[in-house]
Formats: sequence, structure tokens, C-alpha cells
Amino acid sequence: KAGVTQTPRYLIKTRGQQVTLSCSPISGHRSVSWYQQTPGQGLQFLFEYFSETQRNKGNFPGRFSGRQFSNSRSEMNVSTLELGDSALYLCASSLGGQKTDTQYFGPGTRLTVL
Amino acid sequence: AQTVTQSQPEMSVQEAETVTLSCTYDTSENNYYLFWYKQPPSRQMILVIRQEAYKQQNATENRFSVNFQKAAKSFSLKISDSQLGDTAMYFCACTNTGNQFYFGTGTSLTVIP
Repeated sequence: KAGVTQTPRYLIKTRGQQVTLSCSPISGHRSVSWYQQTPGQGLQFLFEYFSETQRNKGNFPGRFSGRQFSNSRSEMNVSTLELGDSALYLCASSLGGQKTDTQYFGPGTRLTVL
Repeated sequence: AQTVTQSQPEMSVQEAETVTLSCTYDTSENNYYLFWYKQPPSRQMILVIRQEAYKQQNATENRFSVNFQKAAKSFSLKISDSQLGDTAMYFCACTNTGNQFYFGTGTSLTVIP
């Protein structure tokens, strides 16, 4: 079974631009969560989608948004990029999004904002 | 809100020795789960071990075991017989009834040959 895939793997943008990141979960998984990973901050939860609905949201500004499609693939969008948005963005999928479910992480998208 | 604290940014251990990584957490929930994830250099994050808060028995997975002290809100990871492949960032995490994961800032472990 294929693992969680994320595209693109690397991205360079300039301040003010917007960006869309994509995540394809493991087949059969319905929950997708997004995290921002920066040195010294660890992983910070952005949001979680389950069956095309945002079920949980972290403490990030409205510039960060996401959606999930009927095939469980998810996209994350960041508008009006700031230098501080430079980070590794990870997505994780799980079967039903229950805390008993194991989260499987993708390789991440490395975003650099210049 | 929940917080997870890992007070050891970096650690090292000699191959074949034992090392313990510390983690403390703060939650007002009664029903929660604790996890240790491993992120090898340039590789994907994978689950190492997990513990249900309502279980008193410490979880064990081969060379990996935890010391779960619920009253102290402590959840340390012990790696026995350390191997070179254990070199990685280790993240402690907690999840609550809302299924939202809270991660610590990580501990970078280096196994020295």
C-alpha cells in the first residue's frame, strides 16, 4: 500500500505570494491533518479534515486554509506569504481520525519564503 | 490547551547503551493518549510507541519502552541497546478527545558508534 505523498517536495516563494500544497493520504484513510514544523517550535497543528469537513483547527491566522476532496486528498493554501511561513509542512493521514488511530506522516513540503 | 515539553534539545548515546528521553505534558483531559514519534534525517516521521492514559502498564515495543507517570504527567522513552539507526529527532505528543495532536519541540538523538 502506498504511503502518504505530498507535492511538491520543495517550494520557493516570495513575500506576498500564495501557495497551495497537496497531500494524498493512504488509500482508505479518511482523516488528514496538517502541521507546520519549524526549528525550536516543533510541530504545530494547523487543521484536520475528515470526510471533506474541517473537524479541528489550530491557532493559525486565516491566511492558512485547507480543504479535502471526496477522494480524501487534501490541499493547504497559504495566502499573502510572510517570511515566518518558511517551514516544513507535514500532513498525516489516519483511518478515522480517532485518537486510537495511528497517524502516518508524509515526507513534507519544504517551503522557503524569500 | 495542552502543552508538551521536551527539555532535552540534544542527546547522544554510545551504540549498545541505553538512553532515556524526557517528556512532560499538561492536560485537563481524563481520556488522552501519549505518543513518541521518530523522524530520521531526511526521512518520514514514524510512530515509535503509544500509551493510553487509562492503562497503568507501561507500553513496550521491542527495544523501546516508556515510563508513564500519570500523576507527575511524565512520559519518558527508554531506548535499550541503542543502534545507529536510532539516530533521529524524537517527538513526544499528546492527543485529547478532540483528536488534536500536541507535539513537543523534539529531542535530537545521536547514536555514536
